[in-house]
Amino acid sequence: EAAVTQSPRNKVAVTGGKVTLSCNQTNNHNNMYWYRQDTGHGLRLIHYSYGAGSTEKGDIPDGYKASRPSQENFSLILELATPSQTSVYFCASGDAGGQAPLFGEGTRLSVL
Amino acid sequence: GEQVEQRPPHLSVREGDSAIIICTYTDSATAYFSWYKQEAGAGLQLLMSVLSNVDRKEEQGLTVLLNKKDKRLSLNLTAAHPGDSAVYFCAVSASSGSWQLIFGSGTQLTVMP
Repeated sequence: EAAVTQSPRNKVAVTGGKVTLSCNQTNNHNNMYWYRQDTGHGLRLIHYSYGAGSTEKGDIPDGYKASRPSQENFSLILELATPSQTSVYFCASGDAGGQAPLFGEGTRLSVL
Repeated sequence: GEQVEQRPPHLSVREGDSAIIICTYTDSATAYFSWYKQEAGAGLQLLMSVLSNVDRKEEQGLTVLLNKKDKRLSLNLTAAHPGDSAVYFCAVSASSGSWQLIFGSGTQLTVMP
């Protein structure tokens, strides 16, 4: 069964600390995405990737880095976490020309 | 850039009634349109996608209508039931190559028994 798995599901971090959110997909999709969801904003695209080794900036990339070491894995990295990055983060995977992306269950991040 | 407006933000209907959610978009080059459902504490479940050459699509009690002239996309849940209670999002993309979705702000649907 096609799946997008995120870890951790919940994370509490301190301001200035480094946070890594992980995503694994078993869909064999080329494209992967990181979104954040905030009340009143819907979901906004942070970074995406076309395949292993590629990362692209989305609409709100500032303060975030991404890493795609393999087809299956896509990480979102906050080098210096700030309280404004408190949010729910969603990973998704999809194929060019195929159906719309499939989403993971989300990671709830609180930066204190 | 593309802007998507979704309404209403909150919608309450009785079981068996229809529920209609509408999104409007600004970019006439938008080519792909999707609807997602998000239950409390969960991820986004893809309900349906349509291409810009489709005016109407029906699946399992859901109807998606696309009016390209008015740049309007709608989702109609016919005969809603309590299990349909969730937040619904529309999402659009100019290209299926990268699937860079622009989301509406969501509609909280409550279906009362």
